Amino acid sequence: DAKTTQPPSMDCAEGRAANLPCNHSTISGNEYVYWYRQIHSQGPQYIIHGLKNNETNEMASLIITEDRKSSTLILPHATLRDTAVYYCIVRAYPPADSWGKLQFGAGTQVVVTP
Amino acid sequence: DTEVTQTPKHLVMGMTNKKSLKCEQHMGHRAMYWYKQKAKKPPELMFVYSYEKLSINESVPSRFSPECPNSSLLNLHLHALQPEDSALYLCASSQDSGSQSYEQYFGPGTRLTVT
Repeated sequence: DAKTTQPPSMDCAEGRAANLPCNHSTISGNEYVYWYRQIHSQGPQYIIHGLKNNETNEMASLIITEDRKSSTLILPHATLRDTAVYYCIVRAYPPADSWGKLQFGAGTQVVVTP
Repeated sequence: DTEVTQTPKHLVMGMTNKKSLKCEQHMGHRAMYWYKQKAKKPPELMFVYSYEKLSINESVPSRFSPECPNSSLLNLHLHALQPEDSALYLCASSQDSGSQSYEQYFGPGTRLTVT
């Protein structure tokens, strides 16, 4: 699976949109982009995933560039509860030898401040 | 019910002890996972069970022994651990380990301290 690069940390004001970038310049045609987050002392939580079209659900929006080399996770109205480490993960489907794997990188520590 | 439960929440054990971690889900998921997470590091995959069979072992030392007695339960048996094995152990489940949606549900973890 392709590697991802994320900034180590970001601050965001409560009520504002948080835009979290992820670079995946070596992504292949059958690889999806997944986002998870981990609030302190909890297990990771799935947020959203996409292949090439923009996606939106009740938690966030995912914008993938046309060349698919990067993406942005958007939290539309950040709250204090959104303070967490956000992981961008690229995974092939159907999976090859990485069948079943979810490979977490270092992620971005997002701190939402009042 | 979209919950994965793990017991115990905290565990302190000596290097000669034998203990077990337990994970349970009632979502009908057929894939279950163990991850290990050291402080300030991302989770690292240890084992994947799919349809109650071990699919992936990420070269984990034999002092960690997984077991999947049925599709809802996943155990991790611990024996002769080292202090460096102290970590947060996370369990997760998904409908199928090879599916496109690949939404994994994680439990809160067991915080293990080896003394």
